[in-house]
Amino acid sequence: AQKITQTQPGMFVQEKEAVTLDCTYDTSDPSYGLFWYKQPSSGEMIFLIYQGSYDQQNATEGRYSLNFQKARKSANLVISASQLGDSAMYFCAMRDTFPLTFGKGTMLLVSP
Amino acid sequence: GAVVSQHPSRVICKSGTSVKIECRSLDFQATTMFWYRQFPKQSLMLMATSNEGSKATYEQGVEKDKFLINHASLTLSTLTVTSAHPEDSSFYICSAPRTGQSNSPLHFGNGTRLTVT
Repeated sequence: AQKITQTQPGMFVQEKEAVTLDCTYDTSDPSYGLFWYKQPSSGEMIFLIYQGSYDQQNATEGRYSLNFQKARKSANLVISASQLGDSAMYFCAMRDTFPLTFGKGTMLLVSP
Repeated sequence: GAVVSQHPSRVICKSGTSVKIECRSLDFQATTMFWYRQFPKQSLMLMATSNEGSKATYEQGVEKDKFLINHASLTLSTLTVTSAHPEDSSFYICSAPRTGQSNSPLHFGNGTRLTVT
């Protein structure tokens, strides 16, 4: 069974607008961590943001925020004020046991 | 700056030859490193877990004799693709957790794009 589901193969947004990338997960472990990574065309994986299952507040890192809805098992990434440099693949990942399990990714395209 | 260094970034080799890819943790000790493979426009698929001082753990369907992993020190793991074939052409990327805690993100190398002709 798929542990991480990213239902959007691609998203398109205009510069300066906000965009939400969806991620749902499945685990029976009460302790887990959720991560978002950005992968530009050059291939490197860039860590963006982390949310722990016991964290009371939604994680934020600059323009990135994680909309964590535990009961729905969703951990959507919100990027505010999109920039052209945000165009990339975005992967949601979960750690309930080592190592991370990745979703299939969402391609984000930001247009001027 | 980068905390995990992977080398080479790109390699082209002939069918039947072997290719070694190195993954180094730069400012921390990594008793565990992970090797992933990524086909174009697809997600990262875990190949194996590299353990310092012991044998690597391979995921189902990954040939351990084909993809040799050696974790020789606390800062270096190598992946050797033996007798490479065109179907081995892919993007290989290593990663290591800075700590063993659950909220520690994996740090990734920049990846190696392997092309087998």
